[in-house]
Amino acid sequence: DGGITQSPKYLFRKEGQNVTLSCEQNLNHDAMYWYRQDPGQGLRLIYYSQIVNDFQKGDIAEGYSVSREKKESFPLTVTSAQKNPTAFYLCASRGTGSSYEQYFGPGTRLTVT
Amino acid sequence: LAKTTQPVSMDSYEGQEVNITCSHNNIATNDYITWYQQFPSQGPRFIIQGYKTKVTNEVASLFIPADRKSSTLSLPRVSLSDTAVYYCLVATTGGGNKLTFGTGTQLKVEL
Repeated sequence: DGGITQSPKYLFRKEGQNVTLSCEQNLNHDAMYWYRQDPGQGLRLIYYSQIVNDFQKGDIAEGYSVSREKKESFPLTVTSAQKNPTAFYLCASRGTGSSYEQYFGPGTRLTVT
Repeated sequence: LAKTTQPVSMDSYEGQEVNITCSHNNIATNDYITWYQQFPSQGPRFIIQGYKTKVTNEVASLFIPADRKSSTLSLPRVSLSDTAVYYCLVATTGGGNKLTFGTGTQLKVEL
């Protein structure tokens, strides 16, 4: 069963703590993405990676960090520097070629109190 | 990067055809236009992609005029299950793999 998995589905943390969100894909895709979605809003790009050991900042990278040590994995760390971390986080991947079809995971809803 | 503008919301009734238009005035020569559908608390799902003229698949059609400054997603005979947010996205090859979503259109389908 090919696809993208994100875990956990719901995550609760205390303010001031770093938290890492998992994203794994078995689609053999080179590119991976992290988006943030706030209630009633669209998706905003946090970070993206075109290839292993390489990643670029998106539009709202402040307070977040990522790594891409393996092709299948693209974890996102929400640091204590992120002012408003409570949100719905979506991971996606895309293969090579002319199609811009992204495959999304089920998302992680992070609540920080 | 090409910025997109869509209506915030649209209402329709079951069985009707729905057309959602997206404006992308500064689209670049190599950019593609892609549409996604998103249900609450789920990740977006790819619907259709096009470069110019018309593209049709089993769920939708995409109309792109010659100047490519806009595009229209057409959903034939919508049902209640088509109630969702629809995003227009211009894939900018100049930005490598960077793909940025707009704010989307909330489509509500009623009986």
